[in-house]
Amino acid sequence: NAGVMQNPRHLVRRRGQEARLRCSPMKGHSHVYWYRQLPEEGLKFMVYLQKENIIDESGMPKERFSAEFPKEGPSILRIQQVVRGDSAAYFCASSPRTADNSPLHFGNGTRLTVT
Amino acid sequence: KNEVEQSPQNLTAQEGEFITINCSYSVGISALHWLQQHPGGGIVSLFMLSSGKKKHGRLIATINIQEKHSSLHITASHPRDSAVYICAVRSWETSGSRLTFGEGTQLTVNP
Repeated sequence: NAGVMQNPRHLVRRRGQEARLRCSPMKGHSHVYWYRQLPEEGLKFMVYLQKENIIDESGMPKERFSAEFPKEGPSILRIQQVVRGDSAAYFCASSPRTADNSPLHFGNGTRLTVT
Repeated sequence: KNEVEQSPQNLTAQEGEFITINCSYSVGISALHWLQQHPGGGIVSLFMLSSGKKKHGRLIATINIQEKHSSLHITASHPRDSAVYICAVRSWETSGSRLTFGEGTQLTVNP
């Protein structure tokens, strides 16, 4: 039973390009969370999605960032017109249900470097 | 003041020592998580607690809801325990969906 799969592991983009980060949740999990870890900082919540729905995007920057979790396929975190400040590790986690006490399973993260 | 505070920030121990990492939080919570992040960055969920105490191998996690405090203990520490340990809470005062994280405790266990 594969865990949460994120790809790519490392992504390098020049300023102004687009970055697409993918997350395939564990089998049977329909809830996906994205977190960002800036260099030398702690993890911060970005967005919570269920299949075809954004449930909570209160942690997402208002511009350039978007997320989706389609009926088929992985969840995508998209960053348009990247800037150096977007360089960070982006982690995805999934859970089987929305109850407060659902265990979380994390992916290995995507490390984005903007040059 | 952060909603989740961890101490110490850095901890160096000798192999075999008993280790305690502390987490204090200032909001009402429905669950508290302890996570482990190794060099190279993958995150593993160690425990999820809402009350009492849990044990897994050499790891023990406790929580005191009244005092808003949790501890992670490692018995007979080993160099492979070297990692960043992160406390995170799910708060019913903010949003039920998000985790709020502490800054992490960098643990180094020397042989």
